[in-house]
Amino acid sequence: DIQMTQSPSSVSASVGDRVTITCRASQGISSWLAWYQQKPGKAPKLLIYAASSLQSGVPSRFSGSGSGTDFTLTISSLQPEDFATYYCQQANSFSLTFGGGTKVEIK
Amino acid sequence: EVQLVQSGAEVKKPGESLKISCKGSGYSFTSYWIGWVRQMPGKGLEWMGIIYPGDSDTRYSPSFQGQVTISADKSISTAYLQWSSLKASDTAMYYCVRPQPGYYYYYMDVWGKGTTVTVSS
Repeated sequence: DIQMTQSPSSVSASVGDRVTITCRASQGISSWLAWYQQKPGKAPKLLIYAASSLQSGVPSRFSGSGSGTDFTLTISSLQPEDFATYYCQQANSFSLTFGGGTKVEIK
Repeated sequence: EVQLVQSGAEVKKPGESLKISCKGSGYSFTSYWIGWVRQMPGKGLEWMGIIYPGDSDTRYSPSFQGQVTISADKSISTAYLQWSSLKASDTAMYYCVRPQPGYYYYYMDVWGKGTTVTVSS
């Protein structure tokens, strides 16, 4: 399996801050990467696919970049509803794998 | 509206069998893959496997191969996840997922609300 490592595991930030989360793959995955947001007690929600494509209905303050082994999710101006856990997921191999998650907390 | 409606919470004993379900609606069930994701209490997401109801092509994560069985009944637009002998470590939330069209089964854009499975003696 391809291993996905996210950092940091948690981040404290204030409303309006720019937040960047990174995800590293154990081998090159081209642009086969997605990002999800999960709020407590809820199912995850797809934010970004193909590394940088914004899912329909997702605010433009979310953006994704990267290719190969290193990827980032950026929230340009954190909003109260963005406090959640974020996961990356690789789609390069037939067996999909997720990163361990990054919890974005209120500072 | 595309929906995945999962069966209700289950409480079982170790060694018992279990089959949980996920009914798809609002789309052509046989034209999309449908899969399962596990989330153990307080932990991250784990992709378990996926099935294409149109021809029953099934893929499993190596971590779950042989541990669970994924199936589908296209006549009632329902996918299943089953265990033959549950363990306490199977205690988790299980999400049914449908991948986004156009990208094979790679990106999961429709999620069920989840089925909680508790295994305890």
